[in-house]
Amino acid sequence: EVQLVESGGDLIQPGGSLRLSCAASGFTVSSNYMSWVRQAPGKGLEWVSVIYSGGSIYYADSVKGRFTISRDNSKNTLYLQMNRLRVEDTAVYYCARGWHSSSWTYYFDYWGQGTLVTVSS
Amino acid sequence: DVVMTQTPLSLSVTPGQPASISCKSSQSLLHSDGKTYLYWYLQKPGQSPQLLIYEVSNRFSGVPDRFSGSGSGTDFTLKISRVEAEDVGVYYCMQSKQLPPGFGGGTKVEIK
Repeated sequence: EVQLVESGGDLIQPGGSLRLSCAASGFTVSSNYMSWVRQAPGKGLEWVSVIYSGGSIYYADSVKGRFTISRDNSKNTLYLQMNRLRVEDTAVYYCARGWHSSSWTYYFDYWGQGTLVTVSS
Repeated sequence: DVVMTQTPLSLSVTPGQPASISCKSSQSLLHSDGKTYLYWYLQKPGQSPQLLIYEVSNRFSGVPDRFSGSGSGTDFTLKISRVEAEDVGVYYCMQSKQLPPGFGGGTKVEIK
């Protein structure tokens, strides 16, 4: 059974840093495309970042240069390092597996339960 | 960027009655490989999104057959043949023909 369990969300001051984790089971993180998707309070879904099985990495413009996605293959875990946090980064952060029925694109077939990041002074 | 527009914003449905949600994209989601990259998700209250439909009309594993997807090009529809209480939540369409994937604004479905 595929499971994704996020952790690491917290209340943090603007300018601070936080690292989110997403522990996977039932499949191998390094063999899949893995993404972070966020949802601000009462708002819709926004893609944040992806790491491909081959290691290519992409970010939304809103987080580029501040966030870093990575994975630890030995722990089968996905991470999101978030630096220079802003009030507008406040959201529930979901990790999601990106299933690639085609080699060049993907969609999200499994999601974690989410972890809340609140950026406020 | 591909803009995804959903209508209506909200829907109140009597149990057992049908419901329909529209999703329109600003560009065709048909790729030269013959696939159309349109998906539907349901986010139940307090839960994470769950995949319902992939590539326009394919139900994901475990999704009841009262859910169906249709459409082509830029116009797509999610239909629920007979709404049940457990179907409440916000429905999102998503495109991945152009990366990064982009979501519609959501349609909230409530029970009358």
